[in-house]
Amino acid sequence: QVQLQESGPGLVKPSETLSLTCAVSDYSISSGYFWGWIRQPPEKGLEWIGSIYHSGSTYYNPSLKSRVTISVDTSKNHFSLKLSSVTAADTAVYYCARINVADFFDYWGQGTLVTVSS
Amino acid sequence: EIVLTQSPGTLSLSPGERATLSCRASQSVSSSSLAWYQQKPGQAPRLLIYGASSRATGIPDRFSGSGSGTDFTLTISRLVPEDFAVYYCQQYGSSPFYSFGQGTKLEIK
Repeated sequence: QVQLQESGPGLVKPSETLSLTCAVSDYSISSGYFWGWIRQPPEKGLEWIGSIYHSGSTYYNPSLKSRVTISVDTSKNHFSLKLSSVTAADTAVYYCARINVADFFDYWGQGTLVTVSS
Repeated sequence: EIVLTQSPGTLSLSPGERATLSCRASQSVSSSSLAWYQQKPGQAPRLLIYGASSRATGIPDRFSGSGSGTDFTLTISRLVPEDFAVYYCQQYGSSPFYSFGQGTKLEIK
């Protein structure tokens, strides 16, 4: 059973950079699959942020592309999200997930709430 | 950009009843790229259906998916208390690659 766990600061100041890491266990990222980040503002729906392959190939949501960087560290079996110039609108629960070859999210982390506030 | 619109926004039913949730796409979606998720408060979404009609591992057979083109449906044949949650459809396609519907809240009547 693949397990994912998000970690990172729960509070980020406006204009700063949000940084999160997703640790993957019971599966080697190097073995394949895309890995993604999804967020959910309080009481709202889900928004895909971006995805990365173990090789480092990335795809980003155009609405966030200018501010997002996703990277992977296969030696640590984790991947990371950086979102720059954050505002209150970036306050959300951030999830990491594995993307099945058939393009659905089959394993999810429990999510981590990130609040943007001074 | 493909927009998914779910209806109704809220569905009020009683245990034992049948639930029918709709997901309509702004343009045709490959059936192989349509999935449904269930989300309970404070939890991550859980995959229910992929490929429009295939149940994920461990999902009870009271959940079924159908549809093609622009119209997809999630049906729960007989509701049990743990089925009351928010349901999202999701598609993979052209940019922005992955998009979700806004969700249908299934609440106890």
